[in-house]
Amino acid sequence: NAGVTQTPKFRVLKTGQSMTLLCAQDMNHEYMYWYRQDPGMGLRLIHYSVGEGTTAKGEVPDGYNVSRLKKQNFLLGLESAAPSQTSVYFCASLPGGLTAYNSPLHFGNGTRLTVT
Amino acid sequence: AQSVTQPDIHITVSEGASLELRCNYSYGATPYLFWYVQSPGQGLQLLLKYFSGDTLVQGIKGFEAEFKRSQSSFNLRKPSVHWSDAAEYFCAVAFTGGGNKLTFGTGTQLKVEL
Repeated sequence: NAGVTQTPKFRVLKTGQSMTLLCAQDMNHEYMYWYRQDPGMGLRLIHYSVGEGTTAKGEVPDGYNVSRLKKQNFLLGLESAAPSQTSVYFCASLPGGLTAYNSPLHFGNGTRLTVT
Repeated sequence: AQSVTQPDIHITVSEGASLELRCNYSYGATPYLFWYVQSPGQGLQLLLKYFSGDTLVQGIKGFEAEFKRSQSSFNLRKPSVHWSDAAEYFCAVAFTGGGNKLTFGTGTQLKVEL
């Protein structure tokens, strides 16, 4: 099993450009999350999904959109990138149900995005 | 809204010394509490978790944490720190009925002096 795979690993964008970050998990997990990590800010939840076809806003959703068309994939989109979106982005997943938190969050290795 | 506070941004300890990293949460419901560790350039790894029962929980790498409901705290401890423990440590909390969201603290960067 590959676990949680994020692509790309690195990306540089110019202000105003758009891009999509892909998160794929092969563990049949129900819950998926997108976090951004910034120095001194910890991990902040952008959007999350509790199942195929569902998404919800997290703590810092502005400027991002997400889609969960397939259970195994969770896409994070930036429609018009801004320098404030320079960050490291982590995807994570959890199995569903009442025992979801008995399992640790499974993290991808991150995507380092720079917006100039 | 649920929140997590890690008051110490940086901590430096000598190898072999004891360690305590502080974590406080706010919310009224029963919490699920976690400690994660992140080595440079890596994702996060779960150290330990608390759901219910014994308030002192043991984790991997010799770490333990104690849940104190009266203080809304979940401090991480290790009796003797090793140089390889240098990393960033994150406390996280989730709540029943909280929409399956984990909220992370801002992290504590641990430096170990040899």
